[in-house]
Amino acid sequence: DIQMTQSPSSLSASVGDRVTITCRASQGINSWLAWYQQKPEKAPKSLIYAASNLHSGVPSRFSGSGSGTDFTLTITGLQPEDFATYYCQQYNSYPRTFGGGTKVEIK
Amino acid sequence: EVQLLDSGGDLVQPGGSLRLSCAASGFTFNNNAMGWVRQAPGKGLEWVSSITGSGDNTYYADSVKGRFTISRDNSKNALYLQMNSLRADDTAVYYCLGVWHWGQGTQVTVSS
Repeated sequence: DIQMTQSPSSLSASVGDRVTITCRASQGINSWLAWYQQKPEKAPKSLIYAASNLHSGVPSRFSGSGSGTDFTLTITGLQPEDFATYYCQQYNSYPRTFGGGTKVEIK
Repeated sequence: EVQLLDSGGDLVQPGGSLRLSCAASGFTFNNNAMGWVRQAPGKGLEWVSSITGSGDNTYYADSVKGRFTISRDNSKNALYLQMNSLRADDTAVYYCLGVWHWGQGTQVTVSS
């Protein structure tokens, strides 16, 4: 099984900050990586697919990069509505696996 | 507009069974793989199972293999998860997932 390791597990940031979350796969997954955002008591929302492609309606302050084993999610100019937990997931192979999540909190 | 509506969650005793449903609309259902993801209280997301668009191929997490069965009815645009031999550690919110959209989730609680 492919293990997905996210870091950090949590971070504190201020509105307007640039935030970077990393996700590392235990083996190469090409670009078959997705990012999700989840707010408390809500269903997750899909942000990015194929490592760097934003879903329709996702603000351009979100960006994704990477391929192989190392990936990043960057939020440039953090907004109040961006405080949430973020998850990566590989869909290169079964079983699909998620990272442990990164909680972005208000500083 | 894509919509996924999860249902069927309930309180069930250990060893019991439950069937979850997901009603899909707004996309060509039979062309798309679908899946289930769960989230235990205070924990992260865990992939549970997936099924191809035709229903010919299914995949399961080791934690549910042999106990859960995923299926679909393409004539009804519906996805199902039959859950048998339920255990306390199956307690979670279960989400239907497809075409990058998520259902609202349905709560499954396994407790005596």
